Amino acid sequence: DTAVSQTPKYLVTQMGNDKSIKCEQNLGHDTMYWYKQDSKKFLKIMFSYNNKELIINETVPNRFSPKSPDKAHLNLHINSLELGDSAVYFCASSDAKIFLVGRGHTEAFFGQGTRLTVV
Amino acid sequence: KQEVTQIPAALSVPEGENLVLNCSFTDSAIYNLQWFRQDPGKGLTSLLLIQSSQREQTSGRLNASLDKSSGRSTLYIAASQPGDSATYLCAAQYSGGGADGLTFGKGTHLIIQP
Repeated sequence: DTAVSQTPKYLVTQMGNDKSIKCEQNLGHDTMYWYKQDSKKFLKIMFSYNNKELIINETVPNRFSPKSPDKAHLNLHINSLELGDSAVYFCASSDAKIFLVGRGHTEAFFGQGTRLTVV
Repeated sequence: KQEVTQIPAALSVPEGENLVLNCSFTDSAIYNLQWFRQDPGKGLTSLLLIQSSQREQTSGRLNASLDKSSGRSTLYIAASQPGDSATYLCAAQYSGGGADGLTFGKGTHLIIQP
C-alpha cells in the first residue's frame, strides 16, 4: 500500500493553461505539504496544511493554490502556467506535535513526485 | 535565516568502504532532523529520523548522529554497496512556529563503484 500517492506522475502542458496535481495519504496524518524540486534538484517547501490552517511560503506565486477536500487529500492547483513552473512537485505528510516552545512534526513521508513540464 | 548545508556535493568510492556524509544546519532550534535517499527520477525514501533530544539513530548499515550544539549531523554508511548509489538529502524541521515543513540541504550525490 502506497502511503503517499500523487497523480499524475508526468504532466506536460502549454503555457497559460491551468492544471491540478492530486495527492492522497493513507497514514492518518494531520498535516500535508507540497514541495518543489527545481532543475538543480533543490527541494523547497511551498505549503503546509494542518486542520484547515494553511501556511504559505512567501516566495510562492499566488497562481499556486492548495485545496484540501478532506484530511487525507491535498491537491495543488496551478493557474496560468509559466515556463519557470517546470519542476518536480512532491506531496508529503506528517503529524503535528504541540509542545511548549512551538509545533514540531513526526517523520515525513513523501510521494513519488509529479514531473511538470511547461512548453 | 534557517539553512541546511551538505558536504560533499558528490562522492565516489569503491564498494566495501565505510563513508560519512555531512550535514550542517543554522539555528539550533530544530525539532528533528531527517535523512532521505532519492534515486534518479524517484521520490524520497526516509532513512532515519533523529529527534532533537537524541544523539543518534541506527538502521542496518546506516547510523545517523546529531549534535545540536555544533549544528551538525552525519550519516555513516558501513560496508557500502553499489545499491547505495543515490542522492542523500538531509532535512531539518525547525520548531517554534512559522512556516512548517522541512528545510532541505542540496544533497550529496553518492556513487559506489563495483
